[in-house]
Amino acid sequence: DAGVIQSPRHEVTEMGQEVTLRCKPISGHDYLFWYRQTMMRGLELLIYFNNNVPIDDSGMPEDRFSAKMPNASFSTLKIQPSEPRDSAVYFCASRPRQGRTGANVLTFGAGSRLTVL
Amino acid sequence: QQQVKQSPQSLIVQKGGIPIINCAYENTAFDYFPWYQQFPGKGPALLIAIRPDVSEKKEGRFTISFNKSAKQFSLHIMDSQPGDSATYFCAASIGVFGNEKLTFGTGTRLTIIP
Repeated sequence: DAGVIQSPRHEVTEMGQEVTLRCKPISGHDYLFWYRQTMMRGLELLIYFNNNVPIDDSGMPEDRFSAKMPNASFSTLKIQPSEPRDSAVYFCASRPRQGRTGANVLTFGAGSRLTVL
Repeated sequence: QQQVKQSPQSLIVQKGGIPIINCAYENTAFDYFPWYQQFPGKGPALLIAIRPDVSEKKEGRFTISFNKSAKQFSLHIMDSQPGDSATYFCAASIGVFGNEKLTFGTGTRLTIIP
């Protein structure tokens, strides 16, 4: 398995532009998570999905952030409009459902480093 | 109540030394405590985890010590090597599967000097 695949790995954009981050979870994993990592706040959970359905988006900082999971193999995190304070590394992670082997392990992608100028 | 406080923020240890990273929590409902290891340019990966029914768990050179009464747990790395240089995150959740909101500490950047 190729693991959790994220794109782009690096994104530099200007304030006000729309940013779309993409994630392909591990095949067969029912849960998908979006995290944001900054030096000040560490790893913060933004939103997670179960079977493509958003379960908890209470960590999404503002209405400028939105996430979708149109099918089991693809998710997007969109920021519109972007601001300099959104600069961070955004991670996608996935895991199987309870009862499946490895259900206690979050597998993270390599992350998308976003810089908003 | 959902916070996990981690210290130190950074740590430099000589090769062969025993770095210790500490975490404390408030929510007594937490009952699953994993540690994740992150190398530069990579996502975090599960290193070792413990449930509160034991006071210590060892896997290779990595040991978690757990103090339920103090609501603290720590990671020890025996015979540390330069390859252990990474950022380490403690985390906590209610149940291994039940609570999807795995709460992470802020991370410790560990450097092992040859």
